[in-house]
Amino acid sequence: DADVTQTPRNRITKTGKRIMLECSQTKGHDRMYWYRQDPGLGLRLIYYSFDVKDINKGEISDGYSVSRQAQAKFSLSLESAIPNQTALYFCATSDPRGRTYNEQFFGPGTRLTVL
Amino acid sequence: TQLLEQSPQFLSIQEGENLTVYCNSSSVFSSLQWYRQEPGEGPVLLVTVVTGGEVKKLKRLTFQFGDARKDSSLHITAAQPGDTGLYLCAGASGGTASKLTFGTGTRLQVTL
Repeated sequence: DADVTQTPRNRITKTGKRIMLECSQTKGHDRMYWYRQDPGLGLRLIYYSFDVKDINKGEISDGYSVSRQAQAKFSLSLESAIPNQTALYFCATSDPRGRTYNEQFFGPGTRLTVL
Repeated sequence: TQLLEQSPQFLSIQEGENLTVYCNSSSVFSSLQWYRQEPGEGPVLLVTVVTGGEVKKLKRLTFQFGDARKDSSLHITAAQPGDTGLYLCAGASGGTASKLTFGTGTRLQVTL
């Protein structure tokens, strides 16, 4: 079974709708991240959380919100989706105590299309 | 905002050829990572380099971290179709290297 799972894997929605993307992990990591990927722009950080009580904005947080319901769950919400939020979204986890220096483990991604 | 520029953006080569991908920034990073991403999947870590001037080899892949820790390169010898994918560099910064800044990506296609 995958260590980092994301649901849904694909979603098509309309402008103005509220959307929630969910991420779950079984790695036992405290740190979780949400990124979006656009062609030619690499991965850009939306929000990150170092533990359940710690939420931080990334470089492109406008239009997004997050909730860390438990150590294993980190959800991303688009309160009112707009077409330029069409992208591939990734959740990731990390454990700074690990042998590999801040290696991040990614989920399979959610492809979101906003019409 | 820290930026990591990768070049080239696209690369299409034949099996057996050599190639180099570059990752450049004006910022200093505490460490630099290289990931590979295949279609329908998330990125997977290949290597982390920490010390300026460090060279690491992973089979046919050679990674180098610049002396000033602002740039890095990935060299692939005798490329194979299995090397096809999107290669991403990522620079670590922050008090505990807690955040990664990802490069723009290099899409590599290796054909028979």
